Amino acid sequence: DTGVSQDPRHKITKRGQNVTFRCDPISEHNRLYWYRQTLGQGPEFLTYFQNEAQLEKSRLLSDRFSAERPKGSFSTLEIQRTEQGDSAMYLCASSQESQRNIQYFGAGTRLSVL
Amino acid sequence: KQEVTQIPAALSVPEGENLVLNCSFTDSAIYNLQWFRQDPGKGLTSLLLIQSSQREQTSGRLNASLDKSSGRSTLYIAASQPGDSATYLCAVKGGSYIPTFGRGTSLIVHP
Repeated sequence: DTGVSQDPRHKITKRGQNVTFRCDPISEHNRLYWYRQTLGQGPEFLTYFQNEAQLEKSRLLSDRFSAERPKGSFSTLEIQRTEQGDSAMYLCASSQESQRNIQYFGAGTRLSVL
Repeated sequence: KQEVTQIPAALSVPEGENLVLNCSFTDSAIYNLQWFRQDPGKGLTSLLLIQSSQREQTSGRLNASLDKSSGRSTLYIAASQPGDSATYLCAVKGGSYIPTFGRGTSLIVHP
């Protein structure tokens, strides 16, 4: 595997349900980022990790959102009590500290909240 | 707060045309600027990265320029092909490691 992997690719859920997405970064990349992208917009930063430490969170990340990166490898993004406004593409990216200029993106998870 | 604007929002051209996509940003104190391609429903693919000390980068038919003082970058696509149809995003990175993205230019190249 040479790229960033995200699972699932698509998720349809009913309002009020909890959902969890997973991101597997490129091996040896110690930085991992989550973004949200709505239709017709560019990606908006949500949060990022260096190893297992969550170093920055956007104001977009309400208390219904939580992200983890146990052991500094894969990461999960959970949304509790989903709302229709959460419908978006959730993108994950990773980078290597020695090459921290360049982020490599996964294919994203498309969330639809009915 | 950095703001990134991309013009035009959409572009439709016949195959073979040379075209220019524009990106402007409000805060010239940038670390680098990156152009991405995004196909419908897919993630982002990095095309070109320009460091703040550089003026341009080239890859195949793509050339990106950067004028930091005026807050502008252009992506030049030579001899466009239908396979170039996608959304092109510009991302500017400042002192933090968090890029600010524009809304993108949606490009259609028709045969």
